[in-house]
Amino acid sequence: DGGITQSPKYLFRKEGQNVTLSCEQNLNHDAMYWYRQDPGQGLRLIYYSQIVNDFQKGDIAEGYSVSREKKESFPLTVTSAQKNPTAFYLCASGDRDGAYEQYFGPGTRLTVT
Amino acid sequence: AQSVTQLDSQVPVFEEAPVELRCNYSSSVSVYLFWYVQYPNQGLQLLLKYLSGSTLVKGINGFEAEFNKSQTSFHLRKPSVHISDTAEYFCAVSDTKEWDDYKLSFGAGTTVTVRA
Repeated sequence: DGGITQSPKYLFRKEGQNVTLSCEQNLNHDAMYWYRQDPGQGLRLIYYSQIVNDFQKGDIAEGYSVSREKKESFPLTVTSAQKNPTAFYLCASGDRDGAYEQYFGPGTRLTVT
Repeated sequence: AQSVTQLDSQVPVFEEAPVELRCNYSSSVSVYLFWYVQYPNQGLQLLLKYLSGSTLVKGINGFEAEFNKSQTSFHLRKPSVHISDTAEYFCAVSDTKEWDDYKLSFGAGTTVTVRA
């Protein structure tokens, strides 16, 4: 069963704590992405990676960090420097051979209080 | 760089009525265009895409979209909606010259609510 998994579905943290969101894909895609979704703002790109051991900042990278040690995995850490971390986080993967579309995981809803 | 404008944030519609969701983009070069659907608390699912060729694109669940290069638009239509079409819809664009960057730019979304 091919696809993208994100865990956990819901995550609660106290302010000041770092938290890592998991994203795994078994589609053999080279590129992976992290988006943040807030009501009425669509999807905003946080980080993306086109190849293992390489990644680039998106439009709203401040307060976030990523790693890409394996092709299948692209974890996102929300650090305490992120001013407003409560949001819905979506991971996606894509490939030129995949006819240019991005495939999305089910998302993680992070609540920081 | 490109930007995407979805002209309606909310579209209420009665069951079995037609619906049109409007999307305009700004780009100085050729683009690839996509429509995605998101059901509550889920990820995004591709409805349809335009890469090249015929400007009328058919997708899943009875949706279609028309690419209009002169008006830089990619409007989504369905002739008869069902209650199950209640969802948020996103238009997205990728600049063909920057495709090696693999990036999409998304509109703010249109919430469609279908009523019986």
